[in-house]
Amino acid sequence: ETGVTQSPTHLIKTRGQQVTLRCSSQSGHNTVSWYQQALGQGPQFIFQYYREEENGRGNFPPRFSGLQFPNYSSELNVNALELDDSALYLCASSLGPGGANEKLFFGSGTQLSVL
Amino acid sequence: GESVGLHLPTLSVQEGDNSIINCAYSNSASDYFIWYKQESGKGPQFIIDIRSNMDKRQGQRVTVLLNKTVKHLSLQIAATQPGDSAVYFCLRGGDTDKLIFGTGTRLQVFP
Repeated sequence: ETGVTQSPTHLIKTRGQQVTLRCSSQSGHNTVSWYQQALGQGPQFIFQYYREEENGRGNFPPRFSGLQFPNYSSELNVNALELDDSALYLCASSLGPGGANEKLFFGSGTQLSVL
Repeated sequence: GESVGLHLPTLSVQEGDNSIINCAYSNSASDYFIWYKQESGKGPQFIIDIRSNMDKRQGQRVTVLLNKTVKHLSLQIAATQPGDSAVYFCLRGGDTDKLIFGTGTRLQVFP
């Protein structure tokens, strides 16, 4: 177990709705990264938060947004849900924002289904 | 970081045999390579890493080999067990880029 917890584990929404996913990072970690994983694909980087500020973003539209709180937990918000947003959303925490040199500790993810 | 290319989407091995998962990379801009394992229903888990000043690194039942001449690396799992069944990702790290995952290699272990 990594100590990274995500909630909820499963979620069903309809197209056009908004969703908030939550992540508690491992103790001592100040950086959180979010990934989207479609079925049969590898995780795709969405964005990273370091000390409550966005620290890098992948190729995702602005309707994907995030927050990091003083306790380093994090939220991922997706507005105007589309069918293609159906995926496993993974949160990973790390000791720092050292880019790809930082070892990531992943949660088990939230499985989002958009109908 | 750029993802590196895994050779096979699926690898099937018999329990007890050794597994070898191969990976190739196109340039040597980064000197750091990482392997992650993702079991069904779980997030990826760090297995082992290697820097370009090394040719080989060993962990518990796993060995990573780096051949800089042909730009190839491999993950070897000794005495493969059912619990090794997972998707394996090889990634190239870098100073500022975020980890980029490819599609991975699915390792299937049969009795």
